[in-house]
Amino acid sequence: DTEVTQTPKHLVMGMTNKKSLKCEQHMGHRAMYWYKQKAKKPPELMFVYSYEKLSINESVPSRFSPECPNSSLLNLHLHALQPEDSALYLCASSQPGQGKNEQFFGPGTRLTVL
Amino acid sequence: KNQVEQSPQSLIILEGKNCTLQCNYTVSPFSNLRWYKQDTGRGPVSLTIMTFSENTKSNGRYTATLDADTKQSSLHITASQLSDSASYICVVTVYSGNTPLVFGKGTRLSVIA
Repeated sequence: DTEVTQTPKHLVMGMTNKKSLKCEQHMGHRAMYWYKQKAKKPPELMFVYSYEKLSINESVPSRFSPECPNSSLLNLHLHALQPEDSALYLCASSQPGQGKNEQFFGPGTRLTVL
Repeated sequence: KNQVEQSPQSLIILEGKNCTLQCNYTVSPFSNLRWYKQDTGRGPVSLTIMTFSENTKSNGRYTATLDADTKQSSLHITASQLSDSASYICVVTVYSGNTPLVFGKGTRLSVIA
């Protein structure tokens, strides 16, 4: 299984809502990533988990809260978001220490904040 | 500063024609370079990945080249199809276990009939 899955595919939420994005992989990868991508822009790294520990937080606002409950799952909890947070949220995974460190991306969750 | 520059920003070609996309990078220390294809609203899909010792890599109608001396890469698409319409992103990895990737801004390719 060389697939990264993400749910939901689409999400519409109000600024007072609390929601979560989910990501799963069964490739045995021990590094997982969250990216945010605005239209016609490259993905921007948000968080990196390595061996289930948060290793990189690219100064992301606290209204985004990542969680890595186990080596296969990665969540992104959303609370009190702003309309400018509307974007495509991509999850990726890779195996640390391998020479090429190839990241496999999920299909993304299209988030709209009203 | 680690940077990846791509050109052109956008490109329109007729179905069946060939095209070449360019990528220049200033990333150190270099680990590898990949080309991704990204359809609108979807996650990037890897086309090729090359280390500094690899000059060329093919994947079907896609052929990537890498010149580690000049820090340039190209992606050549042969006999384009309508389904090739997408953004093509050049991504360079800094040599490290979990170091984030350095993304180019992509080339938006439109193949028309």
